Amino acid sequence: EPEVTQTPSHQVTQMGQEVILRCVPISNHLYFYWYRQILGQKVEFLVSFYNNEISEKSEIFDDQFSVERPDGSNFTLKIRSTKLEDSAMYFCASKRFLIRESNTEAFFGQGTRLTVV
Amino acid sequence: KNEVEQSPQNLTAQEGEFITINCSYSVGISALHWLQQHPGGGIVSLFMLSSGKKKHGRLIATINIQEKHSSLHITASHPRDSAVYICAVDGNKLVFGAGTILRVKS
Repeated sequence: EPEVTQTPSHQVTQMGQEVILRCVPISNHLYFYWYRQILGQKVEFLVSFYNNEISEKSEIFDDQFSVERPDGSNFTLKIRSTKLEDSAMYFCASKRFLIRESNTEAFFGQGTRLTVV
Repeated sequence: KNEVEQSPQNLTAQEGEFITINCSYSVGISALHWLQQHPGGGIVSLFMLSSGKKKHGRLIATINIQEKHSSLHITASHPRDSAVYICAVDGNKLVFGAGTILRVKS
């Protein structure tokens, strides 16, 4: 069964360092998302990506964050200078979304637990 | 006011009981998702609904678009059903509820 894969599963980084979280969406999917979940809180939307550009982003997704689809398979989230409050579980998701369809199921990766120390 | 409200927040049930988790939302949506999150943190999609009812094994999900309400039912609950169940509404992105922590005791 196709799945979304994320690496690494857990990353510890020092405050101020750059981190890159990697995701491989399902191959025929067209819409990609990053969500995050701070411990004990609900999952929050960060950014959506379609046709090689950001289609929507939240207030959380400030200039410290960027996304990229560098090679047609990977979908990355970069945090330029991590802060303590960036510690969270980061989930990648993808959807197969065709113009004629109203909506399709979202498939989630297992998440990357980012700990900023 | 939260766009997605789930109830209850916590639920403890005895093995075999019938369980209902409710979700109400206040925004226009194209679909509603029920998700399951286990202690390790990974999220699994259970259902995506845009109308009516869906069944998968012991899980049943219903949605009433007019009333902006959905329910997730678990029949003959089992300890392995213990998890966080999350309702998420879908416009162009998912907006998540806070989740319902379910514990099924044997």
